[in-house]
Amino acid sequence: QSALTQPPSASGSPGQSVTISCTGTSSDVGGYNYVSWYQQHPGKAPKLMIYEVNKRPSGVPDRFSGSKSGNTASLTVSGLQAEDEADYYCSAYAGRNTWVFGTGTRVTVL
Amino acid sequence: EVQLVESGGGLIQSGGSLRLSCAASGFTVTSNYMSWVRQAPGKGLEWVSVIYIGGSTYYADSVKGRFTISRDNSKNTLYLHMNSLRDEDTAVYYCAKGTNSGLAFEYWGQGTLVTVAS
Repeated sequence: QSALTQPPSASGSPGQSVTISCTGTSSDVGGYNYVSWYQQHPGKAPKLMIYEVNKRPSGVPDRFSGSKSGNTASLTVSGLQAEDEADYYCSAYAGRNTWVFGTGTRVTVL
Repeated sequence: EVQLVESGGGLIQSGGSLRLSCAASGFTVTSNYMSWVRQAPGKGLEWVSVIYIGGSTYYADSVKGRFTISRDNSKNTLYLHMNSLRDEDTAVYYCAKGTNSGLAFEYWGQGTLVTVAS
């Protein structure tokens, strides 16, 4: 149950796009289409932004999109806004009724 | 409206026990899988445990044999019983409601802090 690998930080100017990668193995990210992404502002609970690789829950702006290729998933935030500045975590179902989270990426809006 | 409210955290000595509660409203805890996820201070998220609709339970290796997840249908509450606590169990513990599909965590509580002191 090793954590999925994410870059520690990412940044972009308002209006630009930022993409965060999430690398796992064939036992988690690559093994199932059950990758999700969470946004967490300081001192707050995580919020689900993407599930099943590329589906958005109701209320999540379509500026947020997800994809997957092999053992690596990605979250893209287009049209960056100030309120997008937060920590982002990926998560994947890892089989045998367990889940694994990523190491987290801090997104800074310049 | 779905709400999850955790309680029961606090300062506990290493080797001690604690029970966390997660009171649910706006849905029933038996209607979907429920999980506990923790976050050590300044660190990332770590999945801890899950209980499915049918009552089956599963744990991360780091807590297996020490933690027990359960629920009380009459109180619509999820629990996490924690025994043999260690310094590395210090974290904010969140309860989370699973999605109807996709094996993700749709709603989260505000978290409760557990601090284990040696």
